[in-house]
Amino acid sequence: DIVMTQSPDSLTVSLGERATINCKSSQSVLSSSNNKNYLAWYQQKPGQPPKLLIYWASARDSGVPDRFSGSESGTDFTLTINSLQTADVAVYYCQQYYSTPITFGQGTRLEIK
Amino acid sequence: EVQLVEAGGGLVQPGESLRLSCAASGFTFSSYWMHWVRQAPGKGLVWVSRIRGDGRISNYADSVKGRFTISRDNAKNTLYLQMDSLRVEDTAVYYCTKDFDSWGQGTLVTVSS
Repeated sequence: DIVMTQSPDSLTVSLGERATINCKSSQSVLSSSNNKNYLAWYQQKPGQPPKLLIYWASARDSGVPDRFSGSESGTDFTLTINSLQTADVAVYYCQQYYSTPITFGQGTRLEIK
Repeated sequence: EVQLVEAGGGLVQPGESLRLSCAASGFTFSSYWMHWVRQAPGKGLVWVSRIRGDGRISNYADSVKGRFTISRDNAKNTLYLQMDSLRVEDTAVYYCTKDFDSWGQGTLVTVSS
């Protein structure tokens, strides 16, 4: 199984500042057939289902503000949220969908200072 | 607009069975992989199972293999999860998701004596 490890577990950032969440996969999730990383990011607010933010490691889903961006370096992935807003308070998860079992990181709780 | 509506959750005793359903609308149901993902109270996301659009391929997490069965009825645009031999540790909100880009609101399954 591919293990996804997020850091930090929780994060407190001031309004308007930048939040950075990291995710490391225990093995490559890069497909040689299409040269894409099978890595997604989700946002989950209390009492709500997860919402897809980023897929293919850096592609924003439809309607996701461009304040949210994803990047990759080998098996290390980063979700960056610029100009933090109160609406961004949530738990964020990374996920690999390269192979089954599909696995999620443990989650990073983002709070506002 | 994509809609996914789960039903069938409830309180059962260990060893009992439950069948979840997920009614889908707003997209061509038979064209998409569908998944079940669960979330224990206060915990992270765990992938449970997936089924291909034509229903011919399915995969399971090791924790449910042999006890849960995923299926779909493309004529009724409905996804199912038959859960047998339920355990206390299966207690969770169960979400259905259309290839992770759209999610239902979830249905709560509680396994307790």
